[in-house]
Amino acid sequence: DAGVTQSPTHLIKTRGQQVTLRCSPKSGHDTVSWYQQALGQGPQFIFQYYEEEERQRGNFPDRFSGHQFPNYSSELNVNALLLGDSALYLCASSLGSSQETQYFGPGTRLLVL
Amino acid sequence: AQSVAQPEDQVNVAEGNPLTVKCTYSVSGNPYLFWYVQYPNRGLQFLLKYITGDNLVKGSYGFEAEFNKSQTSFHLKKPSALVSDSALYFCAVRVPKLTGNKLTFGGGTRVLVKP
Repeated sequence: DAGVTQSPTHLIKTRGQQVTLRCSPKSGHDTVSWYQQALGQGPQFIFQYYEEEERQRGNFPDRFSGHQFPNYSSELNVNALLLGDSALYLCASSLGSSQETQYFGPGTRLLVL
Repeated sequence: AQSVAQPEDQVNVAEGNPLTVKCTYSVSGNPYLFWYVQYPNRGLQFLLKYITGDNLVKGSYGFEAEFNKSQTSFHLKKPSALVSDSALYFCAVRVPKLTGNKLTFGGGTRVLVKP
């Protein structure tokens, strides 16, 4: 049973560039959430996708956007990168219901220079 | 607004001794509470959760946690720590009726188990 997978594992970008991160949910899951984990901090909720729509959003600017595909996989896009966007980006998948556990992928480490 | 506090940045314990990692929360409404563990350069691994029912919850790798509503706490415990338990531990809360599926995490507690 494949768990949550993310690509790439590491990424280096420069300020002002754009980046796309990808996530495939755990088999049988239909909901994908994205989190940003800055160094030394707990993860912060970015947004959640269900049925190909953004259902919920945290306190992140519009530079952060996403997409969910019919196969439930998801992308996180960040435009106009800032140095402060350097972080570990975590994808979590779950099965619809609010009682379900979110299972996390290994993350993508983004470094903005 | 909901929040989670993990008052200890680091916990040191000798192998074989009991391990406790503290977590307190502040929410409006009934919380769902979670513990995750993170190993270096890895994502978060789910340990256990409290939704409703018995206040003592048992999870993976011999960990357990007790939900205490009056003290708004959800401390993680293990009777006998292993060196391999050394990792970063996160407590998280969700209040579905207020904030849907959004998880709010504490700042994390680093556990160091010495041989």
